[in-house]
Amino acid sequence: EPEVTQTPSHQVTQMGQEVILRCVPISNHLYFYWYRQILGQKVEFLVSFYNNEISEKSEIFDDQFSVERPDGSNFTLKIRSTKLEDSAMYFCASKPGQGTDEQYFGPGTRLTVT
Amino acid sequence: EDQVTQSPEALRLQEGESSSLNCSYTVSGLRGLFWYRQDPGKGPEFLFTLYSAGEEKEKERLKATLTKKESFLHITAPKPEDSATYLCAVQDRWGSQGNLIFGKGTKLSVKP
Repeated sequence: EPEVTQTPSHQVTQMGQEVILRCVPISNHLYFYWYRQILGQKVEFLVSFYNNEISEKSEIFDDQFSVERPDGSNFTLKIRSTKLEDSAMYFCASKPGQGTDEQYFGPGTRLTVT
Repeated sequence: EDQVTQSPEALRLQEGESSSLNCSYTVSGLRGLFWYRQDPGKGPEFLFTLYSAGEEKEKERLKATLTKKESFLHITAPKPEDSATYLCAVQDRWGSQGNLIFGKGTKLSVKP
């Protein structure tokens, strides 16, 4: 069964460093998302991406964040200058297209900022 | 502001003891309500989508129902492998690309 994959599973970085989190959505899916979950808190929406551009973003997704689909399979989230409060699980999700609302999530990347 | 509240926060059941989880929501217009299962350290796993009041969906020991203000996830004769956190999420009809608004979840523990 196709699934969303994410790498790395765990990333440790120092405050102020740049990190890139990688996702391979399910092939033939058209909509892509990033969410995050701070330990013990809700899953929160960050950004949605369709047709090679951002379609919606939350207040959390400020200028420190960017997303890219560099080729036909990868979808990346970059945090330019990490802060301690960026420590969280980051989930990538994808869905097939219009008329289908279910989003399928990857296993997540645990980001630890020290 | 769109909001999702789940109760209880935690639920401990004996194997075979049926119960229900609640999800109350406030949205300007509901496009869909979703139930996910999340195991520790893993991503949410899709279970059900509900669109309109009165709708019901079933999968093995789980049944999800929807009213105009809340949804229930009924667990019949649970087994230890049903232990997980169950997340409820809503999609606002007016949201452009379907970002989900999640509740905090109900952590279910089923003891043998």
